[in-house]
Amino acid sequence: QVQLVQSGSELKKPGASVKVSCKASGYTLSSYALAWVRQAPGQGLEWMGWINTATGNPTYAQGFTGRFVFSLDTSVRTAFLQINSLKAEDTGVYYCARFRRLDYWGQGTLVTVSS
Amino acid sequence: DIVLTQTPLSVSVTPGQPASISCKSSQSLLDINGKTFFYWYLQKPGQPPQLLIYEVSNRFSGVPDRISGSGSGTDFTLKISRVEAEDVGIYYCMQSFQSPFTFGPGTKVDIK
Repeated sequence: QVQLVQSGSELKKPGASVKVSCKASGYTLSSYALAWVRQAPGQGLEWMGWINTATGNPTYAQGFTGRFVFSLDTSVRTAFLQINSLKAEDTGVYYCARFRRLDYWGQGTLVTVSS
Repeated sequence: DIVLTQTPLSVSVTPGQPASISCKSSQSLLDINGKTFFYWYLQKPGQPPQLLIYEVSNRFSGVPDRISGSGSGTDFTLKISRVEAEDVGIYYCMQSFQSPFTFGPGTKVDIK
């Protein structure tokens, strides 16, 4: 069965970096891109962008350029979201989901940025 | 960017009664191939969102037939024919017609 399993919660200080992983199984990785979605505490869903799993080419939504990096390691069927120069407002749950229908989601990774 | 507007933002429903949620798009989501890239998700408390309906009216695997989607172009509706306790949560609409993909603000459904 299709599964997306994400890495565990992270507590980071402002200015640090974090790398969230999303391991895919149960389907051919290159057949579906992977999307990233953020949910700030008590808020709705925010589209961050996606990574083409056949080419590794990322596409970022406005507001997620510069400090946010999508990457891929096909040898371990895993996508990554790295956030650099963390700010308090980056606090939230980050989800990966299978593109384009977002039919399967990871369980979410809570990233907390606090001094 | 395409804006999705949901109404109502909150609704309380008696078990066994129907519920309906509307989502209006700021532009048509119909592409030249006749496909409409519009979806409904339910996020239950403490869980990731789960896909309910894809491309306007197609139920995803495991979704009960008391949940249905309809609409076209810019106006879409999710209906629950008989609300049950397991339907509690926040319902989101989403479009993947045009980048950036966008979500509606969510409709909170709870039980009276």
